[in-house]
Amino acid sequence: DQQVKQNSPSLSVQEGRISILNCDYTNSMFDYFLWYKKYPAEGPTFLISISSIKDKNEDGRFTVFLNKSAKHLSLHIVPSQPGDSAVYFCAASVRYGGATNKLIFGTGTLLAVQP
Amino acid sequence: EAQVTQNPRYLITVTGKKLTVTCSQNMNHEYMSWYRQDPGLGLRQIYYSMNVEVTDKGDVPEGYKVSRKEKRNFPLILESPSPNQTSLYFCASSFITKPGQGPGELFFGEGSRLTVL
Repeated sequence: DQQVKQNSPSLSVQEGRISILNCDYTNSMFDYFLWYKKYPAEGPTFLISISSIKDKNEDGRFTVFLNKSAKHLSLHIVPSQPGDSAVYFCAASVRYGGATNKLIFGTGTLLAVQP
Repeated sequence: EAQVTQNPRYLITVTGKKLTVTCSQNMNHEYMSWYRQDPGLGLRQIYYSMNVEVTDKGDVPEGYKVSRKEKRNFPLILESPSPNQTSLYFCASSFITKPGQGPGELFFGEGSRLTVL
């Protein structure tokens, strides 16, 4: 049962245009949502996050939008650059045991930004 | 430099031959975790540890063991590897945050690609 879904395995965008990566979730108990970025032969690295009480968080070229009623979030990259080409994982966080957060990851979307 | 170090990075082994993938972090993180990445399945948690001598199962623990004897180290043990454990493995660590705070930023190692023949 995939609680966090990224339905697009890949996305191709022209340099300078907007990249929109989408993510859907099923568990209304998730309290934070995060995006991680992964280059080949490297581990994932944290990119941006959003609390479930907000609907938008912006950090430079990256903006994450959260639509709780639709259980949907998206990552916008504007403008897209060739160095943004990577796999992007959506993740959702839930507290368990009162002690720490469990991250549940989606399947990833491979973004290719064409020069 | 803050980092999570995994070894080996690449390994080919045969069914039933015990192996250990080491993981070490130098950030004094309480929380450590192992994930496996498989095509179409994303990152799935195998085991995690909240502190020394405290470990628990993640979503796909079958066939794996872990230990946390020291805060910095969190080895993943495959007692009798099978071909379905062929995968890309990631170790990760973070601080544990207080209730109401977001999750601590997870720092990942570079990955260990394991092939079991």
